[in-house]
Amino acid sequence: GAVVSQHPSWVICKSGTSVKIECRSLDFQATTMFWYRQFPKQSLMLMATSNEGSKATYEQGVEKDKFLINHASLTLSTLTVTSAHPEDSSFYICSASPSGRRETQYFGPGTRLLVL
Amino acid sequence: GQQVMQIPQYQHVQEGEDFTTYCNSSTTLSNIQWYKQRPGGHPVFLIQLVKSGEVKKQKRLTFQFGEAKKNSSLHITATQTTDVGTYFCAGGSSNTGKLIFGQGTTLQVKP
Repeated sequence: GAVVSQHPSWVICKSGTSVKIECRSLDFQATTMFWYRQFPKQSLMLMATSNEGSKATYEQGVEKDKFLINHASLTLSTLTVTSAHPEDSSFYICSASPSGRRETQYFGPGTRLLVL
Repeated sequence: GQQVMQIPQYQHVQEGEDFTTYCNSSTTLSNIQWYKQRPGGHPVFLIQLVKSGEVKKQKRLTFQFGEAKKNSSLHITATQTTDVGTYFCAGGSSNTGKLIFGQGTTLQVKP
């Protein structure tokens, strides 16, 4: 149990296009989902906290208009990288906290984004 | 803001030697979690420590949470080549559920 999936697993796009990444909790409901970004040989940096039915909370330095987050249901959160540029190329990882278990996060397998 | 520091950044050991990575937080944590990430993979949850002074073991891995709940360590006894990867600690907040990750320690094991 407690499986989180991400789609797509990798994507290559042209500069200026938008990319949507989906994060799904497959066998549990997640009131809260988190989005992280990891650059090569670096740690995971929390980008935003996504709460079902409300606006996401973004960490300092993360542009909310560039990284659009939608958490429309208890099993799905999406991250859209708008007008992607090469510097947005990274490994994007989501995690999901089961409802009522805020201290537990289950991580997805990540999405590798390459912007040409 | 809250910071989680982890040392060393890299560690090369001979197979069979022991390995330890240390984690320190600037603030008291509600819990600390440890993850392992293999090259090209995603972080995989290893363990969560919640209680002050807690010690947990998983086979050759020993995890400790400091009395003040601000530091933690992961010790691997008699490393094997399968232990290769980057080990991250992550400090957890019971209020927000957020995890703040340390920089990670990358372990290389020479056979």
